[in-house]
Amino acid sequence: DQQVKQNSPSLSVQEGRISILNCDYTNSMFDYFLWYKKYPAEGPTFLISISSIKDKNEDGRFTVFLNKSAKHLSLHIVPSQPGDSAVYFCAASSAGRDNYGQNFVFGPGTRLSVLP
Amino acid sequence: NAGVTQTPKFQVLKTGQSMTLQCAQDMNHNSMYWYRQDPGMGLRLIYYSASEGTTDKGEVPNGYNVSRLNKREFSLRLESAAPSQTSVYFCASSGQPLSSYEQYFGPGTRLTVT
Repeated sequence: DQQVKQNSPSLSVQEGRISILNCDYTNSMFDYFLWYKKYPAEGPTFLISISSIKDKNEDGRFTVFLNKSAKHLSLHIVPSQPGDSAVYFCAASSAGRDNYGQNFVFGPGTRLSVLP
Repeated sequence: NAGVTQTPKFQVLKTGQSMTLQCAQDMNHNSMYWYRQDPGMGLRLIYYSASEGTTDKGEVPNGYNVSRLNKREFSLRLESAAPSQTSVYFCASSGQPLSSYEQYFGPGTRLTVT
């Protein structure tokens, strides 16, 4: 059973509009979350993270929201650009409780297409 | 800085053959990881090494072995390849335990086992 779910395999958005990518998790012990972006034939690159002590974290055009009671997080990209077209992975960890805090569980990814 | 490098980029093996995937990082990171990515699934952790001299199993370790050769290098070995090991393999590294959770990934190795 997947502990981290991204229920939308793909999403298309017009350039300049908002992209919202969703992620749900089942393990209430998760307390640290990351988003990665992946282009074809490349490794994932880190985008933004959030700790469970926060409900929002912003970095430029990217904002991550965390709703602990719903076990749900979302990544907002505003405004969306064609270069944002990639696969986005959500990852979760019980960082504060593990020995090393770095064993992340990844979701299956959402493919975002930003149309010019 | 090259970051995390992996060799080879592509490999085709016959069932039963063995091979070693190489990974190196130049960021002085303590921790290194091997993942596999299969269609429709996220990255799944095979093995990790929290620091030089230690290795531990991840979620899907069966059929693999690893060696943390030194702080820079972490190799993944398939002793007897099976078609179920056809996948894209990613190596990653991260900083000191408990101080930096971001992982930096290599470009991947696409392995096909026939």
